[in-house]
Amino acid sequence: GESVGLHLPTLSVQEGDNSIINCAYSNSASDYFIWYKQESGKGPQFIIDIRSNMDKRQGQRVTVLLNKTVKHLSLQIAATQPGDSAVYFCAETGNQFYFGTGTSLTVIP
Amino acid sequence: SQTIHQWPATLVQPVGSPLSLECTVEGTSNPNLYWYRQAAGRGLQLLFYSVGIGQISSEVPQNLSASRPQDRQFILSSKKLLLSDSGFYLCAWSVGEQQPQHFGDGTRLSIL
Repeated sequence: GESVGLHLPTLSVQEGDNSIINCAYSNSASDYFIWYKQESGKGPQFIIDIRSNMDKRQGQRVTVLLNKTVKHLSLQIAATQPGDSAVYFCAETGNQFYFGTGTSLTVIP
Repeated sequence: SQTIHQWPATLVQPVGSPLSLECTVEGTSNPNLYWYRQAAGRGLQLLFYSVGIGQISSEVPQNLSASRPQDRQFILSSKKLLLSDSGFYLCAWSVGEQQPQHFGDGTRLSIL
């Protein structure tokens, strides 16, 4: 079956630095990917998505990179702020969504 | 704009009691609707999804059931709760497949 996972369960960064959160997936048929942010006690919040016909997509302070060759997805957050502290997880879908377990990002003021 | 509401936010129930969690979506028609369970420190497990009124697909065998009595209403139920039903339950909607799923703020269910 498919598996979606994250390389690092926790990540601590200094305020103002850039953050990079990684995700690996195993289903080569997956063609749509999403990054979510989840704050404590809340539901996941959509950040950015990317389809398999692209390898990079940018949003406000965030960039998602997709490497289909090695089935790897990353989320880059520029100038990380304390409000970015949360759990981030990726989701991938071919016929169904699969969610990773998440990386906990802590921003140090 | 679209919004999704889940209630209650927290719930404490005794083993063997019934359950009804409700989710409603506003601002869209004929959404796909989903129920997930999230265990502490783990990913989301899809429980049920629905592409239309009365259409429910179950992803895992369990003690729970789901119903969609109206287009934008999705209900998660159980006749007799088990200790293992404890968790964080999330409802989500999307406009279709391969589109972002948008989540409510969840219900934290504790079974005693």
